[in-house]
Amino acid sequence: SQKIEQNSEALNIQEGKTATLTCNYTNYSPAYLQWYRQDPGRGPVFLLLIRENEKEKRKERLKVTFDTTLKQSLFHITASQPADSATYLCALSGGYNKLIFGAGTRLAVHP
Amino acid sequence: EPEVTQTPSHQVTQMGQEVILRCVPISNHLYFYWYRQILGQKVEFLVSFYNNEISEKSEIFDDQFSVERPDGSNFTLKIRSTKLEDSAMYFCASGPGLAVGDTQYFGPGTRLTVL
Repeated sequence: SQKIEQNSEALNIQEGKTATLTCNYTNYSPAYLQWYRQDPGRGPVFLLLIRENEKEKRKERLKVTFDTTLKQSLFHITASQPADSATYLCALSGGYNKLIFGAGTRLAVHP
Repeated sequence: EPEVTQTPSHQVTQMGQEVILRCVPISNHLYFYWYRQILGQKVEFLVSFYNNEISEKSEIFDDQFSVERPDGSNFTLKIRSTKLEDSAMYFCASGPGLAVGDTQYFGPGTRLTVL
C-alpha cells in the first residue's frame, strides 16, 4: 500500500541554522509533491510545489528537492528563525488533485 | 488576499445528530475539497467536488456523509448521524483547477466534537 513517511516527529534546531526535513514515499509515483506549514489548531498553508520533472525549487529561504529515483523529497529552511516553528507537512498528489499527507514533522527553532 | 472561510469554528453535537459544516471557497476556484484531521493524526482526504458533482471520495466518506454546493458561493459537508469517531478538525480547501498539481488553499477548519 502507499506509504508516506516524514523523517522524525520533532526536530529541534538553533536559530540561524538550516533545518532539513525529509519525506519518503513507497509504492507510489506522484506527479508532484507539495509542502505545507501547519500551526496548532489551524489549516495547512501552502509553501512550495515541485513536479516530478523538477529537481529543485526555491522560494526565499525555502528549498525543496525531489528525487523520484530515491522516492524522497528534502525540504530546507535556511537561516531559520523562531517564527519558523511549526509542523511541516509533505503531501503527494493523488487522483483528481486529492492530496495524500504525511504525518508531519514538528520543527522547533530555539533562539 | 482572498481566503477560504469556514463556519462554525467549533461545533459540539450529540451522537446521532446531523451536522452541517459550511465553507466559502475562493470565488474563482473550480475544485473543492473536504479533509479531516483527528487530533494528533494525519490530514486525511474525504472528498473532491468539481462541476457540481463528486470527483473522488475516500473510504471514510460513506453514506453518512454528503456534500453540496447549494449556491454559487457555499460548499457544505453534512454528516447525517454523527458518531464519536467523527470528532476531528474538518478542513475545506479549494483550488483553481487549471492544471494537475494546482495549489489547494485551506480554510481555518471547523472543530467538531461529538459527545
